[in-house]
Amino acid sequence: NAGVTQTPKFRILKIGQSMTLQCTQDMNHNYMYWYRQDPGMGLKLIYYSVGAGITDKGEVPNGYNVSRSTTEDFPLRLELAAPSQTSVYFCASGYTSTYEQYFGPGTRLTVT
Amino acid sequence: AQTVTQSQPEMSVQEAETVTLSCTYDTSESDYYLFWYKQPPSRQMILVIRQEAYKQQNATENRFSVNFQKAAKSFSLKISDSQLGDAAMYFCAAMDSNYQLIWGAGTKLIIKP
Repeated sequence: NAGVTQTPKFRILKIGQSMTLQCTQDMNHNYMYWYRQDPGMGLKLIYYSVGAGITDKGEVPNGYNVSRSTTEDFPLRLELAAPSQTSVYFCASGYTSTYEQYFGPGTRLTVT
Repeated sequence: AQTVTQSQPEMSVQEAETVTLSCTYDTSESDYYLFWYKQPPSRQMILVIRQEAYKQQNATENRFSVNFQKAAKSFSLKISDSQLGDAAMYFCAAMDSNYQLIWGAGTKLIIKP
C-alpha cells in the first residue's frame, strides 16, 4: 500500500513550457485534490475531483487543467508555465466518510 | 467565505514542556470538521488530529489534544511532553460544505533542547 504517490519530485521549467504532474493513489478514495504551497504560506486548492469523470475548480485554477479518467489517477497539467507557478504542489486523496485527506510527498516546481 | 486564522507565526518550547498553538475559524456551517496537520522539513503533510464539530468531547491522540470551543470558533492544539521530533510547521484546517479544506497560514514550532 503506497498511499499517494507523486512524480516528479523536482522539476525546473522554462517560461512557456508545459508539463504534467502525476498523482496516483491506491486507497480507493473517491475524492482527490491538487494544492499549491507558496513559500511561508498555507495550501491553496487548485482543482478537486469527487470521482472518476468529475472535476471542479478550487481557489486558484487559472493556468492549470486536470482530468480524472480513473479512480486512482489525477494528473495536473500546466500549460504555458509562468514564474508565478513556482511552488510546491501537493496531491491528496480522501474518503467523504472521514473527510481526512492523505497527502503525497509533493513536487517542487521552479519556472525560470 | 470560510476563513481560518493562525495568529502565531512562530512558537518555541523547551523539550518536555507543553505548548498550545492557536487557531480560529469562521464558518456558517452547522456541522463541519477541523484538522491539525504537521509539516516537518521533509515537507510531507501529516494528519495530527481531527475534530468533528458535533462532538462536544475534545479529540486526543497520545500527546496531542485539542481545545475546541464551538461558540468562540476556536480550535487550539496542545502538545504535551514536547519532543525534538515535534519541530515542524503546524497547519489548522477546516472542512467546508463542499468537502474542501480551508487552511491557515501555519505556525512554526521550534523545540529547544
